[in-house]
Amino acid sequence: DQQVKQNSPSLSVQEGRISILNCDYTNSMFDYFLWYKKYPAEGPTFLISISSIKDKNEDGRFTVFLNKSAKHLSLHIVPSQPGDSAVYFCAASAYNDYKLSFGAGTTVTVRA
Amino acid sequence: DAGVIQSPRHEVTEMGQEVTLRCKPISGHDYLFWYRQTMMRGLELLIYFNNNVPIDDSGMPEDRFSAKMPNASFSTLKIQPSEPRDSAVYFCASSYGPVNYGYTFGSGTRLTVV
Repeated sequence: DQQVKQNSPSLSVQEGRISILNCDYTNSMFDYFLWYKKYPAEGPTFLISISSIKDKNEDGRFTVFLNKSAKHLSLHIVPSQPGDSAVYFCAASAYNDYKLSFGAGTTVTVRA
Repeated sequence: DAGVIQSPRHEVTEMGQEVTLRCKPISGHDYLFWYRQTMMRGLELLIYFNNNVPIDDSGMPEDRFSAKMPNASFSTLKIQPSEPRDSAVYFCASSYGPVNYGYTFGSGTRLTVV
């Protein structure tokens, strides 16, 4: 049973606008969350993370928001750029665990 | 460092044949993970090793799948016999600690079983 869910398989956004990717999780033991970005024919690469003691973490154009009570997190990309076109995976784990549970991914397409 | 190296990049095989996927982790990384990516389920953990010892293989689909890590610089994932439903992209990743230290993924092996 999937413990991390990304219900939107795809997202199309115009260059310069905001991209918002959503992720839900079911396991209340999860307290560390990550986003990975994947280009075609490459492996996923780490983008940004957040631990459950925070509700927001920002890194340049990327911000992750965590709502623990709703078991929901989101990734905001502002402004979106053509190079952001990729598959984005949400992942979760218990802190200091070694296993990551991933969602199915959201394909983002940034239109010029 | 060259990163996590996987081979082959692509594999096409006939149903019933044995398939072996290979992975070389980053030197110094004590943890090695095998993941499978499908459209429906995204990335699923199959098995992971710590210091060459399998720690959790609960994600291995069935007995047709086996994984080994004979030394710190090499791991294999074997499927015997292969079936069309095994078609997926298989990723290897390595890490030197828990998830908060970060994984490094290889580029993956795209397996097609016809």
